[in-house]
Amino acid sequence: DIQMTQSPSSLSASVGDRVTITCRASQSISTYLNWFQQKPGKAPKLLIYGASSLQSGVPSRFSGSGSGTDFTLTISTLQPEDLGTYYCQQSYSTLALTFGGGTKVDIK
Amino acid sequence: QLQLQESGPGLVKPSETLSLTCTVSGDSISSSSYYWGWIRQPPGKGLEWTARMHYSGTTHYSPSLKSRLRTSVDTSKNQFSLTLSTVTAADTAVYFCVRFLGYSYGYGPVPDHWGQGTLVTVSS
Repeated sequence: DIQMTQSPSSLSASVGDRVTITCRASQSISTYLNWFQQKPGKAPKLLIYGASSLQSGVPSRFSGSGSGTDFTLTISTLQPEDLGTYYCQQSYSTLALTFGGGTKVDIK
Repeated sequence: QLQLQESGPGLVKPSETLSLTCTVSGDSISSSSYYWGWIRQPPGKGLEWTARMHYSGTTHYSPSLKSRLRTSVDTSKNQFSLTLSTVTAADTAVYFCVRFLGYSYGYGPVPDHWGQGTLVTVSS
């Protein structure tokens, strides 16, 4: 299986800050990388697919970049409603889809 | 508006079989553009893909669960189901039913819509 490693595992930032979360794949996955936001007690929500395509309805302060093994999710201006846990997921190995371990974002 | 709703028992005894159904509204599971499946999340832990199926019968299972998993699709009811046999406490999780983008979109199977999830506890 392709292992997905996220860092940091948690972070605390202030409203208005720029936040960056990284995701590394154990082998090249081209741009088959997706990002999700999960708020407490809720289902995950797709934010970014194909490494950099913004899902419909998602605020433009969210952006994704990267290819191969290294990817980033950036929140340009952190808002209070952005608290939650963020997951990356690879869709390259279609018979063994895998997720990163998650990054918990708290608001200071 | 697409909605997915999981249903099934919240408590299953060890060694028994877990059965869940997902009812889809707002879209047809007979659409060739999408796959339908399940992702689970143990309490306080991360996400684990379990199964993905197409109405045509094509099915993919997580390698780690393949020997215990079965899925089915009922196009007349716009539902799909999962059964997991010989459960243990390690199968305790919130189970989400999910729609996946099909391969024609060019991004691989992306879970773009999720149900609210249902907690299944394995305990005697």
